[in-house]
Amino acid sequence: ELKVEQNPLFLSMQEGKNYTIYCNYSTTSDRLYWYRQDPGKSLESLFVLLSNGAVKQEGRLMASLDTKARLSTLHITAAVHDLSATYFCAVEETSGSRLTFGEGTQLTVNP
Amino acid sequence: GAVVSQHPSWVICKSGTSVKIECRSLDFQATTMFWYRQFPKQSLMLMATSNEGSKATYEQGVEKDKFLINHASLTLSTLTVTSAHPEDSSFYICSALDDANSPLHFGNGTRLTVT
Repeated sequence: ELKVEQNPLFLSMQEGKNYTIYCNYSTTSDRLYWYRQDPGKSLESLFVLLSNGAVKQEGRLMASLDTKARLSTLHITAAVHDLSATYFCAVEETSGSRLTFGEGTQLTVNP
Repeated sequence: GAVVSQHPSWVICKSGTSVKIECRSLDFQATTMFWYRQFPKQSLMLMATSNEGSKATYEQGVEKDKFLINHASLTLSTLTVTSAHPEDSSFYICSALDDANSPLHFGNGTRLTVT
């Protein structure tokens, strides 16, 4: 059974600071996704990582994937309040199959 | 971009009644749709995989007779919560697969409250 673990689960940080959220998974996969969820809302797709060594950046967020270590990171640079949300990583075992989600990281960026 | 529409956005029903939630892919055909459930402050848990023209595949612990899934067309899947109870109150989110190399497209979710 595929297990996906995120760390930390809760993160409170000040504006302007940097931090990294980690996502570990238990079985071989080279398809990993990052989503953002605002309170009461559905999921917003942030990044799709489809191969070992993939790195993608959008604004203050950068995601990477190391399939050998079974690890993905979501790095936040110079955080701003608007980034406050819950971030989920999700792993797809095979192409077109279901996603297994991590527990989510609730990020609060304080002024 | 690909859009998945979910309806209704929220519903309040009495215990013992049934509720139907619709998930439509608006600008693409989806042979596969997924139904997730999310309790407050928790992650998304897959309930079932819905395949057009065939029976849904349910995850372990999900009662197929309670959560009826119908995927009668390439653009519509429905989830019916039968004989709903307060413990079924949750946020239900559907997603649809456009092509194998794209991320899943998620609906806006349906918040179900059973009183």
